[in-house]
Amino acid sequence: AQKITQTQPGMFVQEKEAVTLDCTYDTSDQSYGLFWYKQPSSGEMIFLIYQGSYDEQNATEGRYSLNFQKARKSANLVISASQLGDSAMYFCAINPRIQGAQKLVFGQGTRLTINP
Amino acid sequence: DTGVSQDPRHKITKRGQNVTFRCDPISEHNRLYWYRQTLGQGPEFLTYFQNEAQLEKSRLLSDRFSAERPKGSFSTLEIQRTEQGDSAMYLCASSRQGAQFGNTIYFGEGSWLTVV
Repeated sequence: AQKITQTQPGMFVQEKEAVTLDCTYDTSDQSYGLFWYKQPSSGEMIFLIYQGSYDEQNATEGRYSLNFQKARKSANLVISASQLGDSAMYFCAINPRIQGAQKLVFGQGTRLTINP
Repeated sequence: DTGVSQDPRHKITKRGQNVTFRCDPISEHNRLYWYRQTLGQGPEFLTYFQNEAQLEKSRLLSDRFSAERPKGSFSTLEIQRTEQGDSAMYLCASSRQGAQFGNTIYFGEGSWLTVV
Protein backbone atom coordinates (compact mmCIF):
# COMPACT_ATOMS: atom_id res chain seq x y z
CA ALA A 1 0.00 0.00 0.00
CA GLN A 2 1.07 3.56 -0.60
CA LYS A 3 0.90 6.42 1.86
CA ILE A 4 1.51 10.15 1.66
CA THR A 5 2.29 12.25 4.74
CA GLN A 6 2.02 16.03 4.73
CA THR A 7 3.00 17.23 8.18
CA GLN A 8 2.15 20.92 7.78
CA PRO A 9 -1.59 21.53 8.18
CA GLY A 10 -1.08 25.25 7.52
CA MET A 11 1.63 27.60 6.30
CA PHE A 12 1.74 31.39 6.39
CA VAL A 13 4.20 33.16 4.10
CA GLN A 14 4.85 36.76 3.11
CA GLU A 15 4.28 37.64 -0.52
CA LYS A 16 7.37 37.27 -2.73
CA GLU A 17 9.05 34.86 -0.34
CA ALA A 18 9.85 31.28 -1.31
CA VAL A 19 7.95 28.49 0.41
CA THR A 20 8.60 24.77 0.81
CA LEU A 21 5.72 22.37 1.37
CA ASP A 22 6.76 19.02 2.82
CA CYS A 23 5.74 15.61 1.53
CA THR A 24 7.02 12.19 2.49
CA TYR A 25 5.78 8.96 0.98
CA ASP A 26 5.81 5.28 1.69
CA THR A 27 5.72 2.66 -1.04
CA SER A 28 7.23 -0.70 -1.78
CA ASP A 29 6.94 -0.18 -5.52
CA GLN A 30 10.08 0.42 -7.57
CA SER A 31 8.32 2.52 -10.20
CA TYR A 32 5.99 5.28 -9.13
CA GLY A 33 5.01 8.84 -9.89
CA LEU A 34 4.70 11.78 -7.52
CA PHE A 35 2.34 14.69 -8.09
CA TRP A 36 1.47 18.01 -6.56
CA TYR A 37 -1.96 19.57 -6.99
CA LYS A 38 -3.35 22.94 -5.94
CA GLN A 39 -6.96 23.22 -4.79
CA PRO A 40 -8.39 26.75 -4.49
CA SER A 41 -11.66 27.37 -2.72
CA SER A 42 -13.54 26.69 -5.97
CA GLY A 43 -12.73 23.00 -5.53
CA GLU A 44 -10.92 22.19 -8.74
CA MET A 45 -7.70 20.20 -8.39
CA ILE A 46 -5.08 21.96 -10.50
CA PHE A 47 -2.06 19.94 -11.60
CA LEU A 48 1.24 21.63 -10.74
CA ILE A 49 4.15 19.25 -11.22
CA TYR A 50 5.11 15.59 -11.72
CA GLN A 51 8.20 13.56 -10.80
CA GLY A 52 8.83 9.99 -11.92
CA SER A 53 10.78 7.75 -9.59
CA TYR A 54 13.43 7.12 -12.24
CA ASP A 55 13.87 10.76 -13.15
CA GLU A 56 17.35 11.79 -12.14
CA GLN A 57 16.71 15.50 -12.23
CA ASN A 58 14.25 17.38 -10.08
CA ALA A 59 11.14 18.46 -11.97
CA THR A 60 10.52 22.16 -12.55
CA GLU A 61 7.47 23.99 -13.92
CA GLY A 62 7.78 27.75 -13.90
CA ARG A 63 7.80 28.91 -10.27
CA TYR A 64 7.29 25.36 -9.03
CA SER A 65 10.06 22.85 -8.42
CA LEU A 66 10.02 19.47 -6.77
CA ASN A 67 12.85 18.61 -4.40
CA PHE A 68 12.99 14.84 -4.90
CA GLN A 69 15.09 12.87 -2.41
CA LYS A 70 14.47 9.24 -3.23
CA ALA A 71 16.49 7.72 -0.40
CA ARG A 72 14.56 9.80 2.12
CA LYS A 73 11.26 9.18 0.30
CA SER A 74 10.71 12.88 0.20
CA ALA A 75 9.09 15.02 -2.52
CA ASN A 76 8.85 18.59 -1.28
CA LEU A 77 7.27 21.33 -3.39
CA VAL A 78 9.12 24.62 -3.63
CA ILE A 79 7.28 27.73 -4.79
CA SER A 80 9.54 30.63 -5.60
CA ALA A 81 8.46 34.27 -5.36
CA SER A 82 5.06 33.50 -3.85
CA GLN A 83 2.00 35.48 -5.00
CA LEU A 84 -1.33 36.21 -3.34
CA GLY A 85 -2.99 33.87 -5.84
CA ASP A 86 -0.94 30.98 -4.48
CA SER A 87 -3.16 30.88 -1.39
CA ALA A 88 -4.89 27.48 -1.56
CA MET A 89 -4.76 23.88 -0.36
CA TYR A 90 -1.85 21.89 -1.75
CA PHE A 91 -1.92 18.11 -2.05
CA CYS A 92 0.91 15.69 -2.64
CA ALA A 93 -0.02 12.39 -4.29
CA ILE A 94 1.60 9.15 -5.40
CA ASN A 95 0.70 6.74 -8.16
CA PRO A 96 2.24 3.28 -7.96
CA ARG A 97 2.34 3.03 -11.73
CA ILE A 98 4.49 5.06 -14.05
CA GLN A 99 2.17 4.17 -16.90
CA GLY A 100 -1.39 3.08 -16.95
CA ALA A 101 -4.31 4.22 -14.87
CA GLN A 102 -3.56 7.11 -12.55
CA LYS A 103 -4.94 5.72 -9.31
CA LEU A 104 -3.58 8.41 -7.05
CA VAL A 105 -3.18 8.26 -3.28
CA PHE A 106 -3.31 11.74 -1.76
CA GLY A 107 -2.05 13.23 1.48
CA GLN A 108 -4.21 15.34 3.77
CA GLY A 109 -2.96 18.57 2.29
CA THR A 110 -1.36 21.80 3.45
CA ARG A 111 -3.27 25.07 3.51
CA LEU A 112 -0.98 27.83 2.25
CA THR A 113 -1.82 31.45 3.01
CA ILE A 114 0.16 34.23 1.35
CA ASN A 115 0.13 37.49 3.27
CA PRO A 116 0.51 40.84 1.48
CA ASP B 1 -9.46 22.60 -24.84
CA THR B 2 -12.39 22.75 -22.50
CA GLY B 3 -11.67 21.19 -19.15
CA VAL B 4 -13.45 18.42 -17.29
CA SER B 5 -17.03 19.47 -16.68
CA GLN B 6 -19.20 18.27 -13.81
CA ASP B 7 -22.88 18.78 -13.14
CA PRO B 8 -24.46 19.69 -10.82
CA ARG B 9 -21.87 21.62 -8.87
CA HIS B 10 -23.93 21.45 -5.69
CA LYS B 11 -26.67 19.08 -4.58
CA ILE B 12 -28.59 18.99 -1.32
CA THR B 13 -30.71 15.92 -0.84
CA LYS B 14 -32.66 14.21 1.89
CA ARG B 15 -31.40 10.98 3.34
CA GLY B 16 -32.73 8.03 1.42
CA GLN B 17 -33.03 9.82 -1.90
CA ASN B 18 -31.07 8.90 -5.02
CA VAL B 19 -28.68 11.35 -6.66
CA THR B 20 -26.83 11.29 -9.96
CA PHE B 21 -23.76 13.25 -11.00
CA ARG B 22 -22.54 13.71 -14.54
CA CYS B 23 -19.00 14.17 -15.80
CA ASP B 24 -17.88 15.24 -19.26
CA PRO B 25 -14.16 14.56 -19.69
CA ILE B 26 -11.74 16.44 -21.89
CA SER B 27 -12.39 15.40 -25.47
CA GLU B 28 -10.12 12.61 -26.72
CA HIS B 29 -9.42 11.50 -23.14
CA ASN B 30 -10.28 7.82 -23.05
CA ARG B 31 -9.63 7.36 -19.32
CA LEU B 32 -12.06 8.68 -16.73
CA TYR B 33 -11.82 8.56 -12.95
CA TRP B 34 -14.09 9.29 -10.00
CA TYR B 35 -12.68 10.38 -6.65
CA ARG B 36 -14.38 11.36 -3.41
CA GLN B 37 -13.14 14.08 -1.06
CA THR B 38 -14.50 14.61 2.43
CA LEU B 39 -13.84 17.74 4.49
CA GLY B 40 -10.25 18.06 5.62
CA GLN B 41 -9.04 15.10 3.59
CA GLY B 42 -7.39 14.52 0.27
CA PRO B 43 -9.34 12.87 -2.55
CA GLU B 44 -9.80 9.10 -2.50
CA PHE B 45 -10.01 6.95 -5.59
CA LEU B 46 -13.41 5.41 -6.31
CA THR B 47 -13.38 3.97 -9.80
CA TYR B 48 -11.79 4.13 -13.24
CA PHE B 49 -12.96 3.66 -16.83
CA GLN B 50 -10.95 3.02 -19.93
CA ASN B 51 -13.29 3.89 -22.77
CA GLU B 52 -16.62 2.34 -21.73
CA ALA B 53 -15.13 -0.42 -19.57
CA GLN B 54 -15.06 0.00 -15.80
CA LEU B 55 -11.69 -1.54 -14.97
CA GLU B 56 -11.24 -0.83 -11.27
CA LYS B 57 -13.47 -0.17 -8.30
CA SER B 58 -12.41 0.80 -4.81
CA ARG B 59 -13.82 -0.97 -1.79
CA LEU B 60 -15.14 2.49 -0.87
CA LEU B 61 -17.69 2.04 -3.66
CA SER B 62 -20.48 0.26 -1.82
CA ASP B 63 -23.39 -1.47 -3.53
CA ARG B 64 -25.33 1.78 -3.35
CA PHE B 65 -22.90 3.39 -5.75
CA SER B 66 -22.90 2.74 -9.48
CA ALA B 67 -20.92 4.40 -12.23
CA GLU B 68 -21.39 4.13 -15.94
CA ARG B 69 -19.76 5.38 -19.09
CA PRO B 70 -22.04 3.93 -21.75
CA LYS B 71 -20.46 5.33 -24.91
CA GLY B 72 -16.98 5.97 -23.65
CA SER B 73 -17.58 9.69 -23.44
CA PHE B 74 -19.49 11.18 -20.47
CA SER B 75 -19.92 9.29 -17.21
CA THR B 76 -22.54 9.23 -14.48
CA LEU B 77 -22.15 8.38 -10.82
CA GLU B 78 -25.35 7.41 -9.04
CA ILE B 79 -25.77 7.05 -5.31
CA GLN B 80 -28.88 5.23 -4.19
CA ARG B 81 -30.51 5.57 -0.77
CA THR B 82 -28.13 8.33 0.27
CA GLU B 83 -26.77 8.43 3.81
CA GLN B 84 -25.30 11.35 5.72
CA GLY B 85 -21.88 9.76 5.40
CA ASP B 86 -22.11 10.22 1.64
CA SER B 87 -21.78 13.98 2.09
CA ALA B 88 -18.60 14.86 0.22
CA MET B 89 -17.27 16.35 -2.96
CA TYR B 90 -17.22 13.97 -5.89
CA LEU B 91 -14.41 14.74 -8.29
CA CYS B 92 -14.16 13.52 -11.84
CA ALA B 93 -10.87 13.41 -13.74
CA SER B 94 -9.70 12.32 -17.14
CA SER B 95 -6.49 11.42 -18.94
CA ARG B 96 -5.34 10.20 -22.31
CA GLN B 97 -3.73 6.82 -22.68
CA GLY B 98 -0.21 6.77 -24.10
CA ALA B 99 3.27 7.57 -22.86
CA GLN B 100 3.48 10.55 -25.19
CA PHE B 101 0.64 12.23 -23.33
CA GLY B 102 2.38 12.12 -19.97
CA ASN B 103 1.12 11.01 -16.62
CA THR B 104 -1.17 13.85 -15.70
CA ILE B 105 -4.84 13.49 -14.91
CA TYR B 106 -7.02 16.58 -15.12
CA PHE B 107 -9.71 17.14 -12.55
CA GLY B 108 -13.03 18.92 -12.78
CA GLU B 109 -14.34 21.38 -10.20
CA GLY B 110 -16.24 18.68 -8.37
CA SER B 111 -19.83 18.10 -7.34
CA TRP B 112 -20.61 18.89 -3.74
CA LEU B 113 -23.17 16.59 -2.11
CA THR B 114 -24.88 17.40 1.17
CA VAL B 115 -27.21 14.78 2.62
CA VAL B 116 -29.58 16.16 5.27
